[in-house]
Amino acid sequence: DGGITQSPKYLFRKEGQNVTLSCEQNLNHDAMYWYRQDPGQGLRLIYYSQIVNDFQKGDIAEGYSVSREKKESFPLTVTSAQKNPTAFYLCATNSGGFGEQFFGPGTRLTVL
Amino acid sequence: DQQVKQNSPSLSVQEGRISILNCDYTNSMFDYFLWYKKYPAEGPTFLISISSIKDKNEDGRFTVFLNKSAKHLSLHIVPSQPGDSAVYFCAASSKTSYDKVIFGPGTSLSVIP
Repeated sequence: DGGITQSPKYLFRKEGQNVTLSCEQNLNHDAMYWYRQDPGQGLRLIYYSQIVNDFQKGDIAEGYSVSREKKESFPLTVTSAQKNPTAFYLCATNSGGFGEQFFGPGTRLTVL
Repeated sequence: DQQVKQNSPSLSVQEGRISILNCDYTNSMFDYFLWYKKYPAEGPTFLISISSIKDKNEDGRFTVFLNKSAKHLSLHIVPSQPGDSAVYFCAASSKTSYDKVIFGPGTSLSVIP
């Protein structure tokens, strides 16, 4: 059963704590992405990776970090430097085609 | 500065009627456009796309129209069904970076039975 897994679906953290969001894919796609969704703002790109051991900052990378040690995995760490971390986070992959991306189910992070 | 704009945050349509969702873009380098559909608490799913060499692409009840001179595209859903109620995102990419897609803010469609 191919797809993208994001866990957990809901995550609660105290302010000042770092938290890592998981994204795993078995689609054998090279490119992986992290987006953040806020009401009325669509999807904003945080980080993306086109190949293992390489990644680039997106439009709103401040306060976030990523790693890409394996093709299947692209975890996102939300650090305490991120001023407004409460949001819905989406992971996506791309097979290399014309921009069509496949999305995971998302993780809703709430910082208390 | 938003490169992809969806100026209608929401739209309500009667079941069976046509839904028209609009999208404008500012970057003339964009040459591939996509529409995604998103239900609450789920990831977006790809709906339909169009290349800049075409002005229309149809897939069942969904048709996307592209007007390059106006930098405008629209998604038509005919006939609209209650299950079409969702947020629709317009997105665009360019030759120089097909792997980086720019999304609009989305339009929430409600189809009333």
